[in-house]
Amino acid sequence: QKEVEQNSGPLSVPEGAIASLNCTYSDRGSQSFFWYRQYSGKSPELIMSIYSNGDKEDGRFTAQLNKASQYVSLLIRDSQPSDSATYLCAPTPGSYKLIFGSGTRLLVRP
Amino acid sequence: GAGVSQSPRYKVAKRGQDVALRCDPISGHVSLFWYQQALGQGPEFLTYFQNEAQLDKSGLPSDRFFAERPEGSVSTLKIQRTQQEDSAVYLCASSFSGSTEAFFGQGTRLTVV
Repeated sequence: QKEVEQNSGPLSVPEGAIASLNCTYSDRGSQSFFWYRQYSGKSPELIMSIYSNGDKEDGRFTAQLNKASQYVSLLIRDSQPSDSATYLCAPTPGSYKLIFGSGTRLLVRP
Repeated sequence: GAGVSQSPRYKVAKRGQDVALRCDPISGHVSLFWYQQALGQGPEFLTYFQNEAQLDKSGLPSDRFFAERPEGSVSTLKIQRTQQEDSAVYLCASSFSGSTEAFFGQGTRLTVV
């Protein structure tokens, strides 16, 4: 079992729809959770962090964390073509080390 | 500088050649990380520095890989006797402390021919 599991996609949604990206992780000791966006040929860019169970909203993005289920998700409301990218989930099982999933490729259709 | 700076952006090395990749972190960031990213994969952890101390090098794939951060700022990742499987993007990231958000540089794309 991989430490971090993400559906590779592509996840295709029409412009204006809600995109839902999911991630499960194996290490129950994970304390911090990050979502990075990576455009093709570019480096990962931090878009959301979440540390406690529940929802955290930032603009069109909402991160959801359920530590009991070892599950973290990212919702993107009013999806735009510019949101088309690979989204990387990164829990930190220790105090510093990011463990990345392989990422989910999101495609927003105009 | 405003962000994490890496150089060179691209490096082509002949098999067996030694290479050195540089990372200049965000000013004031104590923690520095190196990651390796193969095509279509997420970044894989290589090593972690807190100031000049290398606290974790568990991800370095072989003893051909060596990293240093002698003055607690700029870091260099050195790969000796490069092999084709070393071809990847090498990403450097820094954070204010180990547990806070990490910011990535643009990466160095290494191609071993």
